[in-house]
Amino acid sequence: NAGVTQTPKFQVLKTGQSMTLQCAQDMNHNSMYWYRQDPGMGLRLIYYSASEGTTDKGEVPNGYNVSRLNKREFSLRLESAAPSQTSVYFCASSELRVGFGTQYFGPGTRLTVL
Amino acid sequence: GENVEQHPSTLSVQEGDSAVIKCTYSDSASNYFPWYKQELGKRPQLIIDIRSNVGEKKDQRIAVTLNKTAKHFSLHITETQPEDSAVYFCAATSGAAGKSTFGDGTTLTVKP
Repeated sequence: NAGVTQTPKFQVLKTGQSMTLQCAQDMNHNSMYWYRQDPGMGLRLIYYSASEGTTDKGEVPNGYNVSRLNKREFSLRLESAAPSQTSVYFCASSELRVGFGTQYFGPGTRLTVL
Repeated sequence: GENVEQHPSTLSVQEGDSAVIKCTYSDSASNYFPWYKQELGKRPQLIIDIRSNVGEKKDQRIAVTLNKTAKHFSLHITETQPEDSAVYFCAATSGAAGKSTFGDGTTLTVKP
């Protein structure tokens, strides 16, 4: 199993450009999450999806949109990138019936907005 | 919403000493408390967790304690080794979607 995969690994954008971060999991998990991690800080939840077809806002949703395309895939879109969105983005998934909510993280996408 | 505070932000110990990291949470609905280790440039990975109906859990050199009344939980690492050097995050989790709120992390340095 590949676990949780993310693409791309690195991305540089100019202010105002748009892009989509892709995330996929092969563990048949119901819940998926997007976090951002700024230097020296913890993980802040952007959006999450409890199941296919549902999405909810997390702590810092402004400037982002998400799509739960199917059970495996959960994408994060930046419509008009801003320098404040420079961060490392982690996708995670969880099967609440196993491990009582343990989250498995992808390798991250390092995004720089100039 | 949930608020998680983690202390200390940095911790330096000598190899072989013990390390303790403490977290407090605000939402009594939180029922699952994982701890993650993140090495430089890597993804966070679960090292130990505890459910709200358990007071203590141990796995070799690592233990976690939970005080639901006081809303705090702690990570204990004994006989520290240089490879324990990393950033450690606590989290409080609640709800059907397993929504987690993370602390800001503790950078642990183990000096040989």
